[in-house]
Amino acid sequence: KAGVTQTPRYLIKTRGQQVTLSCSPISGHRSVSWYQQTPGQGLQFLFEYFSETQRNKGNFPGRFSGRQFSNSRSEMNVSTLELGDSALYLCASRDSYGYTFGSGTRLTVV
Amino acid sequence: SQQGEEDPQALSIQEGENATMNCSYKTSINNLQWYRQNSGRGLVHLILIRSNEREKHSGRLRVTLDTSKKSSSLLITASRAADTASYFCATGTNTGNQFYFGTGTSLTVIP
Repeated sequence: KAGVTQTPRYLIKTRGQQVTLSCSPISGHRSVSWYQQTPGQGLQFLFEYFSETQRNKGNFPGRFSGRQFSNSRSEMNVSTLELGDSALYLCASRDSYGYTFGSGTRLTVV
Repeated sequence: SQQGEEDPQALSIQEGENATMNCSYKTSINNLQWYRQNSGRGLVHLILIRSNEREKHSGRLRVTLDTSKKSSSLLITASRAADTASYFCATGTNTGNQFYFGTGTSLTVIP
């Protein structure tokens, strides 16, 4: 079965811009979670969506938002980008056994 | 924070040796999982152990769980250069749907 697909793989944006990242989960998985990974902070939970509803939210500012569509695909949006938003953004779909992660989107803010 | 901590932060061994890394966590858990991450890539699920289990094997991997000490260990036997990666533990709780990741152990296997 196809894995979790994240697009784009790499992104370079300027401070103040906004960005949208996309994630397609494994077919049949309704839960999608987003994580931010940086060298200093490790893996930080952003939010989880299940059946188009945000089920959990991490401790991130309101500039970070997301949504999930009826086909379970999810998007994550970051507005007013800051240099500190540079990170690897990982999306994961989950079942009862755990997460399956995508390869991530590497966002660089300059 | 419910985040776990792996120990050691970095480990370097010769090919063929065994590698052991530990994970400690803070709250009651429903299960604990181990993941591997190759540089700059997504995480790959390795193994899940439930809170009522004490030991689990998968190929060259052996995971133990001690809920009284709130700790787990991952043993990789007969290591290979391809095992070079970062390893993370993640805990699942009884009350939420979120998994909490540890800080990771960076393993280098020298050919």
